[in-house]
Amino acid sequence: EPEVTQTPSHQVTQMGQEVILRCVPISNHLYFYWYRQILGQKVEFLVSFYNNEISEKSEIFDDQFSVERPDGSNFTLKIRSTKLEDSAMYFCASSETVFGANTGELFFGEGSRLTVL
Amino acid sequence: EDQVTQSPEALRLQEGESSSLNCSYTVSGLRGLFWYRQDPGKGPEFLFTLYSAGEEKEKERLKATLTKKESFLHITAPKPEDSATYLCAVQAQTSGSRLTFGEGTQLTVNP
Repeated sequence: EPEVTQTPSHQVTQMGQEVILRCVPISNHLYFYWYRQILGQKVEFLVSFYNNEISEKSEIFDDQFSVERPDGSNFTLKIRSTKLEDSAMYFCASSETVFGANTGELFFGEGSRLTVL
Repeated sequence: EDQVTQSPEALRLQEGESSSLNCSYTVSGLRGLFWYRQDPGKGPEFLFTLYSAGEEKEKERLKATLTKKESFLHITAPKPEDSATYLCAVQAQTSGSRLTFGEGTQLTVNP
């Protein structure tokens, strides 16, 4: 069964360092997302990406964050100058079509746990 | 601001003991309400989408219903493998593709 894969599963970094989280969405999907979940809190939307550009972003997604689709398969989230409060589980998700995106039928990866020390 | 509140925070059932989870929402024009299941250490897994009041969807032991202010996830004769956190999310007509999630209900089904 097709799935969204994320790497690394866990990353520990020092405050102020840059991290890149990687995702391989399902191959025929067109919409890509990053969500995050701080321990014990809600899943929060960060950004959506379609046709090689950001289609929507939340208030959380400031200049510290960026996304990129460097090739036909990977989708990355870069966090510059990490802070303690960036510690969270980061989920990548994808959906098949624009309409698929609007049905909420997102396929999530298993997440990348980021720990900032 | 779109808001989703789920109750109870945690629910413990005996195998076979049916119950319901609640999701109350406030949204500026609902495009859809969604239920996801999340197992520990995993990403959310899509269960249902509901679009309009009165709509119902079923999958195995789960049935989701929707009113203008809330949704219920009914679990009939649950099994231990139904143990998970159940997440409710809404998509507003004005919010593009983003989903706003509730904090979830952690369900434990004991054998």
